[in-house]
Amino acid sequence: EIVLTQSPGTLSLSPGERATLSCRASQSVSSSYLAWYQQKPGQAPRLLIYGASSRATGIPDRFSGSGSGTDFTLTISRLEPEDFAVYYCQQYATSSPGTFGGGSKVEIK
Amino acid sequence: EVQLVQSGAEVKKPGESLKISCKGSGYIFTNYWIGWVRQMPGKGLEWMGIIYPGDSDTRYSPSFQGQVTFSADKSISTAYLQWSSLKASDTAMYYCARRDGGYVYYWGQGTLVTVSS
Repeated sequence: EIVLTQSPGTLSLSPGERATLSCRASQSVSSSYLAWYQQKPGQAPRLLIYGASSRATGIPDRFSGSGSGTDFTLTISRLEPEDFAVYYCQQYATSSPGTFGGGSKVEIK
Repeated sequence: EVQLVQSGAEVKKPGESLKISCKGSGYIFTNYWIGWVRQMPGKGLEWMGIIYPGDSDTRYSPSFQGQVTFSADKSISTAYLQWSSLKASDTAMYYCARRDGGYVYYWGQGTLVTVSS
């Protein structure tokens, strides 16, 4: 089972600043089957990025994903107030459950 | 419109059994894997496993193998997650999710399960 390690655990930033979140896999993630989700308190997660770099429908272009192999990054170019949340990476294959990373919290400084 | 509607919150005692549900609508239920995700209080997301309602092919994550059972009734477009003997450590929010090639666009609203004596 592939283990995903996210860093940092918590990122304290101000609105307008840039956020860079890391997701490292214990072994190579095939065909960039890597997704990113945002979760706010009391809500189900929301898909942001799939295939490592493709934005999901309706996701603002301030969110971008990059990486391949074992190292992936989610970047939020300029934080809006609604972006303060917890972010999870997920590796997947069509017919296996996959795994989530432990999450990174972006909090207001 | 694709929707996944989960059954309501449950309060159970240790040792009791439980079956929660997830009803899909707005799409062909048998064509997509359904996954179950656990979120313990204040903690992160964990994939429990997936089921393909078309033929009930089921894949469990190692941590959940033998601990829970997935099933599906395609005649009513509903997937189920069940426990035969609950433990206090099963207290969590449980989400069902429609898998699109492995990632998830559509989520249920979650079912809160509380296990307490």
